[in-house]
Amino acid sequence: AQKVTQAQTEISVVEKEDVTLDCVYETRDTTYYLFWYKQPPSGELVFLIRRNSFDEQNEISGRYSWNFQKSTSSFNFTITASQVVDSAVYFCALTASGYALNFGKGTSLLVTP
Amino acid sequence: DTAVSQTPKYLVTQMGNDKSIKCEQNLGHDTMYWYKQDSKKFLKIMFSYNNKELIINETVPNRFSPKSPDKAHLNLHINSLELGDSAVYFCASSQEGLASSYNEQFFGPGTRLTVL
Repeated sequence: AQKVTQAQTEISVVEKEDVTLDCVYETRDTTYYLFWYKQPPSGELVFLIRRNSFDEQNEISGRYSWNFQKSTSSFNFTITASQVVDSAVYFCALTASGYALNFGKGTSLLVTP
Repeated sequence: DTAVSQTPKYLVTQMGNDKSIKCEQNLGHDTMYWYKQDSKKFLKIMFSYNNKELIINETVPNRFSPKSPDKAHLNLHINSLELGDSAVYFCASSQEGLASSYNEQFFGPGTRLTVL
């Protein structure tokens, strides 16, 4: 069975602060894929990143960075210098079959001015 | 140039009715999905179709019946609607499943279903 845990239900930060969203996963599969999605208040799901289990390189994309550590089964997401537009629900997800995403319960991030 | 579209965007109906949600993708993908997002924002896979063939059916009541007339469409028909069916339903598509190098699952805008 696969499981994704996002222990932080809600996070509130002030603009320009850095914030890290935690994601811990469980799977018995040796090949799997991890994802992060953003759901802004408008409701659509926006793809942020995909990582396969063989690629533990960290990734940086502008103010966003991801830290993948197989040893701790974690795939954490950091937003540097947060902005109000970052306010959204962020989902971590996992698939091994390649045909369906197992989502965590999401972390609601509120960035205030 | 909408990649994955769903109609309707909002659907309000009475308990016991039958309704359909349509999904179309113009990305040339061969795999399509339906997800349900409940009131607590929890997203859960319902169905997955690859080349019009059912791949995943996740313990969804048989009142829910997906129909894939072709690779570009995956419609969701719901019979005898219940209060608990109220949710946002997302359609999605990807190429060759998520394990391919195409890497991304594209989601539609969602359909908010309210059962009264």
